[in-house]
Amino acid sequence: GAVVSQHPSRVICKSGTSVKIECRSLDFQATTMFWYRQFPKKSLMLMATSNEGSKATYEQGVEKDKFLINHASLTLSTLTVTSAHPEDSSFYICSVSGSSYEQYFGPGTRLTVT
Amino acid sequence: DAKTTQPPSMDCAEGRAANLPCNHSTISGNEYVYWYRQIHSQGPQYIIHGLKNNETNEMASLIITEDRKSSTLILPHATLRDTAVYYCIVRVQTGANNLFFGTGTRLTVIP
Repeated sequence: GAVVSQHPSRVICKSGTSVKIECRSLDFQATTMFWYRQFPKKSLMLMATSNEGSKATYEQGVEKDKFLINHASLTLSTLTVTSAHPEDSSFYICSVSGSSYEQYFGPGTRLTVT
Repeated sequence: DAKTTQPPSMDCAEGRAANLPCNHSTISGNEYVYWYRQIHSQGPQYIIHGLKNNETNEMASLIITEDRKSSTLILPHATLRDTAVYYCIVRVQTGANNLFFGTGTRLTVIP
């Protein structure tokens, strides 16, 4: 399956600042990547679908101006959490879609906003 | 996508087979059954998927009932590293290919 990396794996930032999370598909050209969020003891929730070369599609309730997604190449998608607040503290995970529509996930990025 | 029902938790002795059930009574004819697992503080890991035939790979076996209303994921020889939350998801293989995760089954493998 595809190998997906995320950077950073863990980040702590102050309230009001912005944080960028990178998702890379290391061995697979991904026209579509997905971004999920997971709060403690909860299941994954899809935030947005990232399409290479076009605007991302956001799920209902996810603010596109707060969670900026850029998918400029077939191997890289970035998620920027703007003006972060403590309630944005979460585990952010990206994935790419494989040839049989299975998804391969990155290791996740744990964001803590103080 | 159709909904699935899984037991919230299960225990399994190390070395024994772990059988994880999933009910998907409203599954449509074109929906596949996918299984993923998530080990604590890691991204989910794809395990296996199938439509109506039983499937086996190096990780697990998937048994789907003839009416497709339920399935069972089998880990033939559970190890401590198999302790994780296991998600059963049904979905069509079209469109955005996104996944909607339920609450899953927390499998604990006991030494």
